[in-house]
Amino acid sequence: QSVLTQPPSVSAAPGQKVTISCSGSSSNIGNNYVSWYQQLPGTAPKLLIYENNKRPSGIPDRFSGSKSGTSATLGITGLQTGDEADYYCGTWDSSLSVVFGGGTKLTVL
Amino acid sequence: QVQLVQSGAEVKKPGASVKVSCKASGYTFTSYDINWVRQATGQGLEWMGWMNPNSGNTGYAQKFQGRVTMTRNTSISTAYMELSSLRSEDTAVYYCARHDNMDVWGKGTTVTVSS
Repeated sequence: QSVLTQPPSVSAAPGQKVTISCSGSSSNIGNNYVSWYQQLPGTAPKLLIYENNKRPSGIPDRFSGSKSGTSATLGITGLQTGDEADYYCGTWDSSLSVVFGGGTKLTVL
Repeated sequence: QVQLVQSGAEVKKPGASVKVSCKASGYTFTSYDINWVRQATGQGLEWMGWMNPNSGNTGYAQKFQGRVTMTRNTSISTAYMELSSLRSEDTAVYYCARHDNMDVWGKGTTVTVSS
């Protein structure tokens, strides 16, 4: 069981918008920054969002992040077939460990 | 460009140890922590620990305490992760990633534990 809770899967049509939630507690999300990672099939994870809502250079503004209390959300607009991937949230925990969500598989129908 | 290049796949027997390397290039190796994360087939990401390449300080996930050792050789900008007393459940892809944000990842090293 992962410390952070994500929906196992989400789906939407090309061009549409999707959100992925990540729920934690005051021990982790509530008091730390959240990052989001995209993992395309057969590849290493890639940083999409850091410090809750910042995008590294090269990440399109179709990807956005937000945090409220002990939950965080990843939003993706203008969905493309190339966005089909697993998405993970991650943050530090009061146990001085990094914790991840179980991952959400995005299907672009 | 900034990259982390990991060592090749390993096959080990139960009870053995494995040492995976992660060579940094394109930036100052001692300026950013290195994290190690593993992923079993079809499973999610599991954080193992971090190392500060400048000081050598480390922090390990409780699950791996006593079995994992993270070290570095600053002269060749390389970080190492050694996992001992291997069991079949340790079969996974092992990744190194730079910085608290894990902004750069290696391509992964497959470790297979099988008798």
